[in-house]
Amino acid sequence: GNSVTQMEGPVTLSEEAFLTINCTYTATGYPSLFWYVQYPGEGLQLLLKATKADDKGSNKGFEATYRKETTSFHLEKGSVQVSDSAVYFCALSPRVQGAQKLVFGQGTRLTINP
Amino acid sequence: DGGITQSPKYLFRKEGQNVTLSCEQNLNHDAMYWYRQDPGQGLRLIYYSQIVNDFQKGDIAEGYSVSREKKESFPLTVTSAQKNPTAFYLCASRLKQGAVDGYTFGSGTRLTVV
Repeated sequence: GNSVTQMEGPVTLSEEAFLTINCTYTATGYPSLFWYVQYPGEGLQLLLKATKADDKGSNKGFEATYRKETTSFHLEKGSVQVSDSAVYFCALSPRVQGAQKLVFGQGTRLTINP
Repeated sequence: DGGITQSPKYLFRKEGQNVTLSCEQNLNHDAMYWYRQDPGQGLRLIYYSQIVNDFQKGDIAEGYSVSREKKESFPLTVTSAQKNPTAFYLCASRLKQGAVDGYTFGSGTRLTVV
C-alpha cells in the first residue's frame, strides 16, 4: 500500500540554523510528492511539490528533491526564521488510476527560537 | 476570491448527538475530501467524493456520513456511533486538469465532545 514516514518531532532549532526534516515513502508506481505547512489553528498550505524523479520543489527558501532510488523527499532550509515555526506534513498522491487522494505522514512540529 | 470555507471554526457536542460540519468551495473543483487530524497521527481520510452524487469511504469512515448533492458542498455528519469524535476536521478540494493537479484546504473545524 501507500504510506509516508516522517522524522519524529518535535524539532527545536535556533534562528538561522540549518533545517532537515526527513520523509520517506512507499507507493505503487511513481507518485507526486508534497510538503504542506500548518500554522497554529489553521488549515494546510502547500509549501512545495515534485511530480517526477529528480525534480526539486522549492518555495520560501525551502527545498526538497524527489529521490526515487531512496524513496525520499527530505525537506531542507538553509537558515530558518522564527516565522517558520509550524507543523510540516509530507504527503504523496498516487498515480494509479482511480486513486484520487493524498496520503500524509504524521507531521513534524518545528519550533524556532530567537 | 476563490477558496474553501469550513464552518463553524469551533463546535461543541454532547455525547450521543449527531453534528454536521459544513464545507463549501467556490473553486469549481470536482473532488472534495474530509480528513481528521489527531495529535501525532497526521491526517487520516474519512470520505471523499470525485463527482456530484458519488462518494467513497476513506480509511476511517465508521461513525461518519457525507452527502454530495451540489458540486460546491460536501457536509460531514459525525454520528453518535463515532466513539471518539473530538478532533480537528479538515476539508479539501482538488483540481485535476491536464498537467495541473492541486489540493486546496479549508481552515478546519475543531470538534469537542463535552
